[in-house]
Amino acid sequence: GQQVMQIPQYQHVQEGEDFTTYCNSSTTLSNIQWYKQRPGGHPVFLIQLVKSGEVKKQKRLTFQFGEAKKNSSLHITATQTTDVGTYFCAVNRDDKIIFGKGTRLHILP
Amino acid sequence: EPEVTQTPSHQVTQMGQEVILRCVPISNHLYFYWYRQILGQKVEFLVSFYNNEISEKSEIFDDQFSVERPDGSNFTLKIRSTKLEDSAMYFCASSVLARETQYFGPGTRLLVL
Repeated sequence: GQQVMQIPQYQHVQEGEDFTTYCNSSTTLSNIQWYKQRPGGHPVFLIQLVKSGEVKKQKRLTFQFGEAKKNSSLHITATQTTDVGTYFCAVNRDDKIIFGKGTRLHILP
Repeated sequence: EPEVTQTPSHQVTQMGQEVILRCVPISNHLYFYWYRQILGQKVEFLVSFYNNEISEKSEIFDDQFSVERPDGSNFTLKIRSTKLEDSAMYFCASSVLARETQYFGPGTRLLVL
């Protein structure tokens, strides 16, 4: 089945620095989703990408879907303390979501 | 804004006991799901439910697990005889249709002693 590998597992950045997490698959993906989970919270849907080479922005967040639809990235510009949490990429396949292992972002003040 | 709700927020039980986790999906949603997340790990799919029957389940969802929609609003996950390794956060989710955005509830943290 479709699996997604995510790197890095952890990332510490100074507040104000940029952050990027990457998601890779060995097979072509029909779509890629990104979720954010705050510490102690639940996954919150951020966005879904479906088109090859698609780029979407949400304020300081930029999401990309690779041309071959095998990789994706989430980039946060000028991180803030509110960005703390774990960011998961995932594939929405029929009746289920297959999550990556996530990247845990820590912000150093 | 409509939300998925779950009760209880925390549940502590003895190994071998039965637990029922409850969820109220968003009212106009037709698809319901259960996921679990062992502490520090990724979110794992357990089961999806549509039209009063299971539409897909994972290998985690063995005979100890069952789901039910006992009335028009609740969606439950029952674990018949809990094991230590069932300790996890259990998330309910719902979506209007399959392949559409799934909205997650706040979760029930289950601890099996």
